[in-house]
Amino acid sequence: QKEVEQDPGPLSVPEGAIVSLNCTYSNSAFQYFMWYRQYSRKGPELLMYTYSSGNKEDGRFTAQVDKSSKYISLFIRDSQPSDSATYLCAMKEAGGGADGLTFGKGTHLIIQP
Amino acid sequence: EPEVTQTPSHQVTQMGQEVILRCVPISNHLYFYWYRQILGQKVEFLVSFYNNEISEKSEIFDDQFSVERPDGSNFTLKIRSTKLEDSAMYFCASSTRETQYFGPGTRLLVL
Repeated sequence: QKEVEQDPGPLSVPEGAIVSLNCTYSNSAFQYFMWYRQYSRKGPELLMYTYSSGNKEDGRFTAQVDKSSKYISLFIRDSQPSDSATYLCAMKEAGGGADGLTFGKGTHLIIQP
Repeated sequence: EPEVTQTPSHQVTQMGQEVILRCVPISNHLYFYWYRQILGQKVEFLVSFYNNEISEKSEIFDDQFSVERPDGSNFTLKIRSTKLEDSAMYFCASSTRETQYFGPGTRLLVL
């Protein structure tokens, strides 16, 4: 069963705070993990991509994957009001381009100035 | 920076009518996808397309739906005999392999 769980929020934090966003999943076959940012009524924008377990850092963003716990996280440092958006986790099983992504419902993040 | 484009941005149609949603994927990408997002719900995979044929499709993608790459740049989703429950945001995406890039979406409203 392909199922991804994500707390919908809203999550409201003050500007400059560290934000932690999380997803859990049930399908142990998932190997590729992505985080997308979606502004209201816009398309998902790819933020981070990770294969298998481990950490990946890109600027203020860090993605973590713990396959043993079936748990992935996205951390945002020095959060800015422009980070206010819905953050979607997505994942897929196999390599190559044929597989569709399975998405979480998204967490609505609000950064208060 | 190259991006996926979609037309129209909004489409209103009557129940039972056919609609065609259009997408121009990123030019060097080989895989193309359609997803939909019903208001307040998850983004859901519909279909993937590679080398001029469907690679994978979800249970949502039934005989009502079809996809086509009519020329070297466009990728289309046709929905025949639309139903009220087809009202959603439809996203096109493209990739070279793992990382999928999404377009801005077409908001479809079936009345």
